[in-house]
Amino acid sequence: DAGITQSPRHKVTETGTPVTLRCHQTENHRYMYWYRQDPGHGLRLIHYSYGVKDTDKGEVSDGYSVSRSKTEDFLLTLESATSSQTSVYFCAISEGGPRREKLFFGSGTQLSVL
Amino acid sequence: QQQVKQSPQSLIVQKGGISIINCAYENTAFDYFPWYQQFPGKGPALLIAIRPDVSEKKEGRFTISFNKSAKQFSLHIMDSQPGDSATYFCAATRASGGSNYKLTFGKGTLLTVNP
Repeated sequence: DAGITQSPRHKVTETGTPVTLRCHQTENHRYMYWYRQDPGHGLRLIHYSYGVKDTDKGEVSDGYSVSRSKTEDFLLTLESATSSQTSVYFCAISEGGPRREKLFFGSGTQLSVL
Repeated sequence: QQQVKQSPQSLIVQKGGISIINCAYENTAFDYFPWYQQFPGKGPALLIAIRPDVSEKKEGRFTISFNKSAKQFSLHIMDSQPGDSATYFCAATRASGGSNYKLTFGKGTLLTVNP
């Protein structure tokens, strides 16, 4: 999966607890994205980063925050998890430049909030 | 507001048949239209993509047809094989003008190819 590691791969947590998902890349790509995938909704962008400490919101950013202190790591935090955040979370990276539109996805994190 | 509408939700095709998945978009600023293929337990992977300066792009058994005036594009899989069984997502973005290349995805089509 193009040098992308998501951790953990599976997590079960309780409502109200904080959760952090990690995306680590070895490609030195500039752009990183967090998507969630839900049945009937496809893939929806949560947050993205266009450089170290440069982040912006996607279409479903409420309840999520992100941080990128190093090129290789992009963290997604659920400050207080809710059942509606049960989903599969995918990290994606993009090189930028002439191949900027091509996204490479990680294998996903299955998160269950009980 | 759903900017990319994909149909059908699911599709069953016999081996050797043609699979057709359609997408329609609303934002006329979109200028890059990829298709992603996703197998169970895996992340989506880029399959094929088209820009609006051409009406068709073919890569092996996979073809994208693009109709700019109708704001529609479709994926055709010729000689469909059981190994093509997967979920397919269309997407769109504005790739030019210094945008941050955020892809908007359709809701996906689950393709099953029966042997």
